[in-house]
Amino acid sequence: NAGVTQTPKFQVLKTGQSMTLQCAQDMNHEYMSWYRQDPGMGLRLIHYSVGAGITDQGEVPNGYNVSRSTTEDFPLRLLSAAPSQTSVYFCASSRDGETQYFGPGTRLLVL
Amino acid sequence: SQQGEEDPQALSIQEGENATMNCSYKTSINNLQWYRQNSGRGLVHLILIRSNEREKHSGRLRVTLDTSKKSSSLLITASRAADTASYFCATDLPFTQGGSEKLVFGKGMKLTVNP
Repeated sequence: NAGVTQTPKFQVLKTGQSMTLQCAQDMNHEYMSWYRQDPGMGLRLIHYSVGAGITDQGEVPNGYNVSRSTTEDFPLRLLSAAPSQTSVYFCASSRDGETQYFGPGTRLLVL
Repeated sequence: SQQGEEDPQALSIQEGENATMNCSYKTSINNLQWYRQNSGRGLVHLILIRSNEREKHSGRLRVTLDTSKKSSSLLITASRAADTASYFCATDLPFTQGGSEKLVFGKGMKLTVNP
């Protein structure tokens, strides 16, 4: 199993641009989440999903959209990138909603 | 807002010594988890302790939970250079029912094990 995969590994955007961070898992997990990690802030939950077609907001959802059309994929969309969205983004999945399996992360720089 | 806070924020020890990290949280929980993050990598789950458990072991890891004090500790015995990483505690939000899909992470603690 590849586990949780994320693409791209690194991205540079200009303010106002949009993009989609991809996340996929091959473990047939129902639960998937997106976090951002900033220096000194730990990980903060952006959006999460408890199954295909079901998503909900986390702690810092503003400026991000998600959808879950399949069990495997959980893309994160930045609608209009801002410098405040410069961060490292982690996707995670979970079989039971408890133990999380994390992807390798996407480093995003917004200029 | 952060639910869990690790203490100390940084710890430097010699190989073979024990490392103890503490986590305090603010509200009632269903369970508490510890994760490790090597530099530039994703987090790796280490251990989960439920609110009705007081102590749990996994290899060189020992976790305790004191719900009356809203605190947990992670002990790594006989540390190795490979244990150098950041360690995070994570708790589920109190209104979560069942699973912990809405985990809240602390800011993390950096452990350096010197060879």
